[in-house]
Amino acid sequence: EVQLVESGGGLVQPGGSLRLTCAASGFTFSSYSMNWVRQAPGKGLEWVSCISSSSSTIYYADSVRGRFTISRDNAKNSLYLQMDSLRAEDTAVYYCARVWPITIIRGAADYWGQGTLVTVSS
Amino acid sequence: EIVLTQSPGTLSLSPGERATLSCRASQSVSSSYLAWYQQKPGQAPRLLIYVASSRATGIPDRFSGSGSGTDFTLTISRLEPEDFAVYYCQHYGTSLSFGQGTKLEIK
Repeated sequence: EVQLVESGGGLVQPGGSLRLTCAASGFTFSSYSMNWVRQAPGKGLEWVSCISSSSSTIYYADSVRGRFTISRDNAKNSLYLQMDSLRAEDTAVYYCARVWPITIIRGAADYWGQGTLVTVSS
Repeated sequence: EIVLTQSPGTLSLSPGERATLSCRASQSVSSSYLAWYQQKPGQAPRLLIYVASSRATGIPDRFSGSGSGTDFTLTISRLEPEDFAVYYCQHYGTSLSFGQGTKLEIK
């Protein structure tokens, strides 16, 4: 069974940093590109970043480029999102999601974690 | 960047009725890389449809997708009580973006 479990969310002050982790199991993690998608309270979905299976290709949304860094450790079946210079508008539930189909990097998302809440407030 | 506009914003229907949700893109979506998701309160989104018309694993056949170019449709043939939720379309491939969502509520 495919499982994605996010952790690392919490309350952080504006300008602060946070690192999210997504632990993957039930599939060959090293074969799939992975996404981060966020959802502000009461709002719609916003794609944040994606990373290819080998980490060779990375994309970011304009809203986070230069502040967020996506990475992965295939040996640990883990995906990460380092978030720096956080702003109030970054407050959201952050989901990790597996990219589908396996042949493209910026793909749809066929499995999602339960999400972790990041709150940026003083 | 492709902007996706979903309509209507809210759709009020009764169980057993047919639902038609629209997603319009600001420019042509290459390879019909258009997906649909369902999201219920407090839950993560669930992939329903990819490449505009292919059902994801385990999705009932009352859900169908159609369209190409800039106009896409999600149809639910006969609404079940569990189908009332928010639905999002997503463009993927050359870039990634979501529509703003359509809330399907019980009339």
